[in-house]
Amino acid sequence: AQSVTQLDSHVSVSEGTPVLLRCNYSSSYSPSLFWYVQHPNKGLQLLLKYTSAATLVKGINGFEAEFKKSETSFHLTKPSAHMSDAAEYFCVVIFTGGGNKLTFGTGTQLKVEL
Amino acid sequence: EAGVTQFPSHSVIEKGQTVTLRCDPISGHDNLYWYRRVMGKEIKFLLHFVKESKQDESGMPNNRFLAERTGGTYSTLKVQPAELEDSGVYFCASSSRMNTEAFFGQGTRLTVV
Repeated sequence: AQSVTQLDSHVSVSEGTPVLLRCNYSSSYSPSLFWYVQHPNKGLQLLLKYTSAATLVKGINGFEAEFKKSETSFHLTKPSAHMSDAAEYFCVVIFTGGGNKLTFGTGTQLKVEL
Repeated sequence: EAGVTQFPSHSVIEKGQTVTLRCDPISGHDNLYWYRRVMGKEIKFLLHFVKESKQDESGMPNNRFLAERTGGTYSTLKVQPAELEDSGVYFCASSSRMNTEAFFGQGTRLTVV
């Protein structure tokens, strides 16, 4: 079965420390992978996407993600967290044969503390 | 360029009433999607339009939900009659024919009481 799993529902970091949000998917084929962010009272915004070019993808606001086929993972990282990064983050997948339908992970709430 | 616009931003209705949500996609985007997030759950796909045609409506929960996209422009999602379990945030997204990147609206928060 095709699925996407975000391993942590909540992550808390101190400002200036690294961020790691984990995502794994289950699929027989390499899917298209995305990270979206939702700030409070805002819509979903695309952070970055992987579509079989470079395995290390750079996104907006200093975020990046690495596609690791052997581990079926697409973890999101940022070297130094900022207060403005506090939001909910979604790992999203388009599975092969699924049209353009997005399948969402359950979301990770990122809290950034002083 | 205007983004995806959803109206209303919030709606509170009584069980049994009818509600219609509207989505205006980015101009020129052929693909239009509806998604829903019920409290505490993940965001789930409802349906996909390509222009005015329903490409995939496999996520529609039941026949109380009716989506239309007249003329291939804006779309409406009507819930009739609304039930308590329909409460949640309804998102609309659009994308161009050649690009998988979907642009989302801010969502409509529906509360059925």
